[in-house]
Amino acid sequence: KAGVTQTPRYLIKTRGQQVTLSCSPISGHRSVSWYQQTPGQGLQFLFEYFSETQRNKGNFPGRFSGRQFSNSRSEMNVSTLELGDSALYLCASSIASGQPYEQYFGPGTRLTVT
Amino acid sequence: AQSVTQLDSQVPVFEEAPVELRCNYSSSVSVYLFWYVQYPNQGLQLLLKYLSGSTLVKGINGFEAEFNKSQTSFHLRKPSVHISDTAEYFCAVKGAGSYQLTFGKGTKLSVIP
Repeated sequence: KAGVTQTPRYLIKTRGQQVTLSCSPISGHRSVSWYQQTPGQGLQFLFEYFSETQRNKGNFPGRFSGRQFSNSRSEMNVSTLELGDSALYLCASSIASGQPYEQYFGPGTRLTVT
Repeated sequence: AQSVTQLDSQVPVFEEAPVELRCNYSSSVSVYLFWYVQYPNQGLQLLLKYLSGSTLVKGINGFEAEFNKSQTSFHLRKPSVHISDTAEYFCAVKGAGSYQLTFGKGTKLSVIP
C-alpha cells in the first residue's frame, strides 16, 4: 500500500508570494492533518480535514488555509509569505477523525522563504 | 488543552547501552499517548501508542514505554541501542475527543559507536 505522498518536496519562494502544497493520503484514509515543523516552535498543528470539512484549526493566522477534495487529497495554501513561514510542512492521514486512529505521516515539504 | 514536556533535548549514549527518553504530559481529560521517530529528511514514524489497558506498551525496533498516570509520564526505553537508532524522538498526546496531536519539542538521540 502506498504511503502518504507530498508534493513538492522542496520549494523556495519570495516574501509576499503565495504557495500551495499538496498531500495525497493513504488509499482509504479520509482524514488529513497538517503540521508545521520549525526548529524554534517544534511541531505545531495547523488543521485537520475529514470528508471535505475542516474539523479543527490550530492557532495560525488566516493566511494559512486548506481544503480537501472528494478523493481525500488535500491542499494547503499560504498567502503573503513571511520569512517566518520557512518550515517543514508535514501531512498526516488516518482512517477517520476524532478518535485515536494512527496517523501516518508523509515525508514533508520543505518551504524556504527568502 | 494538553501539553507535553520532553525533559532532554539531546541524549548521547554508547552503542549497546540502555536508553530512556523522558516525557511528561498535562491534560484535564483522559489521554492517548504516542511516541514518534523522525530520521533526517524524513517524516514521522509511529513507534508505539498507549490507548488503554496495559500500561507497558511495546513498539517497533525493540522500544517500549510505560504509562504512569500518577506521575503523568510516558517514558520511552530501549535495553540496547544500535547506531541506526540515531534520530529525533517525539512524544505526543491526544486528549479524548480532541482532533489534534500535541507534540513535545523532541529529543535527539545520538548513538556513539
